[in-house]
Amino acid sequence: QSVLTQPPSASGTPGQRVTLSCSGSRSNMGSSIVNWYQQLPGTAPKLLIYSNSQRPSGVPDRFSGSKSGTSASLDISGLQSEDEAEYYCAAWDDSLNGYVFGTGTKVSVL
Amino acid sequence: QMQLVESGGGVVQPGRSLRLSCVGSGFTFKNYGMHWVRQAPGKGLEWVAVITYDGSDKYYADSLKGRFIISRDNSRNTLYLEMNSLRPEDTARYYCARDLRQRWLQFALDIWGQGTMVAISS
Repeated sequence: QSVLTQPPSASGTPGQRVTLSCSGSRSNMGSSIVNWYQQLPGTAPKLLIYSNSQRPSGVPDRFSGSKSGTSASLDISGLQSEDEAEYYCAAWDDSLNGYVFGTGTKVSVL
Repeated sequence: QMQLVESGGGVVQPGRSLRLSCVGSGFTFKNYGMHWVRQAPGKGLEWVAVITYDGSDKYYADSLKGRFIISRDNSRNTLYLEMNSLRPEDTARYYCARDLRQRWLQFALDIWGQGTMVAISS
């Protein structure tokens, strides 16, 4: 069981805004930067957000990230059908001395 | 283009060993830290291990320490994962991934291979 907890599912209609949460503790989110990954069905994960809020080149600006204390959020504004995917948060954990992924949130576009 | 290609997966009996390989191309492989991440069928992502750009430091997931060994050969642009005493619960797709920053571990994995499937079964 992961130390980073995410809701198992989220959904929205095209154009809607969806917010995904990631909850951790002082040993991970509270002391480390957070990254977000998107995994489309049947494909390898893709880095979506790094250093809490930075977007790699090529990631649309409708994806945005933030962190506060021991929680982080990923916002998807203007939801599109191609955003249907699994989303994972991740951070270094000082207690485990390792990198941990969240449990993942499956986003559906209705 | 920047690419990672894994190989070496297959069906292995419990207790046996297997070595995975990952070849990088389209970027200066020797300048980047490299990770292994696995994903069991229908499950989430699990980080396995990381090695620094020069191979001087390695970190492992606690649950795998002692059984898995990460290494690299920069002359061959190749990353390895040696897996020993394999168990059914090691069944997963194994991905290699590049760390974002050169010569520094940021633990942001920006380039991923397509993965190689490992199945542990008698």
